[in-house]
Amino acid sequence: DAGITQSPRHKVTETGTPVTLRCHQTENHRYMYWYRQDPGHGLRLIHYSYGVKDTDKGEVSDGYSVSRSKTEDFLLTLESATSSQTSVYFCAIKEGDRDRETQYFGPGTRLLVL
Amino acid sequence: ILNVEQSPQSLHVQEGDSTNFTCSFPSSNFYALHWYRWETAKSPEALFVMTLNGDEKKKGRISATLNTKEGYSYLYIKGSQPEDSATYLCAFYEEYGNKLVFGAGTILRVKS
Repeated sequence: DAGITQSPRHKVTETGTPVTLRCHQTENHRYMYWYRQDPGHGLRLIHYSYGVKDTDKGEVSDGYSVSRSKTEDFLLTLESATSSQTSVYFCAIKEGDRDRETQYFGPGTRLLVL
Repeated sequence: ILNVEQSPQSLHVQEGDSTNFTCSFPSSNFYALHWYRWETAKSPEALFVMTLNGDEKKKGRISATLNTKEGYSYLYIKGSQPEDSATYLCAFYEEYGNKLVFGAGTILRVKS
């Protein structure tokens, strides 16, 4: 357990509404990641952060934005939710260096867009 | 876009069978290869991080090998048990990169 929590854990929303998911970590990790998990695709990176106010796009960033104003919080926003964004969203942190480096994942947020 | 392929997509075995699956990744700009185990309704958990060609790692009945020159890694499970049922993900870390690229996973179901 790397002290990662996600909120909410479950959310149902309607198409066109904005949605914000929160990832919170308690161990001062520099790197944080947002992934989405869909059948047949494993985990796909949406955005990641390498420090406060430092973020970069991942593989599937369209329709998502992120913010990191504090080390401990990394927010993922769906500006206008679409049904294709129905998914399970995982936050992760990176721990360790070089060959001991690994990622630890939060419990996930299940999002349904109707 | 980096391509990380895993095969087979799914596997059903009997308790006690040994099994293995493959992860293929780009052989250029290699930095590290990660294996994760992902049980249903839980979060992915790290199994191995492999960085050197010829690396072999072991954790209990699970082991993994790495060939960076040809771009593949094998994960082996000896004497599969029902509790081994999970999705096994590999992820490639490119040199100078800040992000993992995951394969789609191999779903393993072990019947008792």
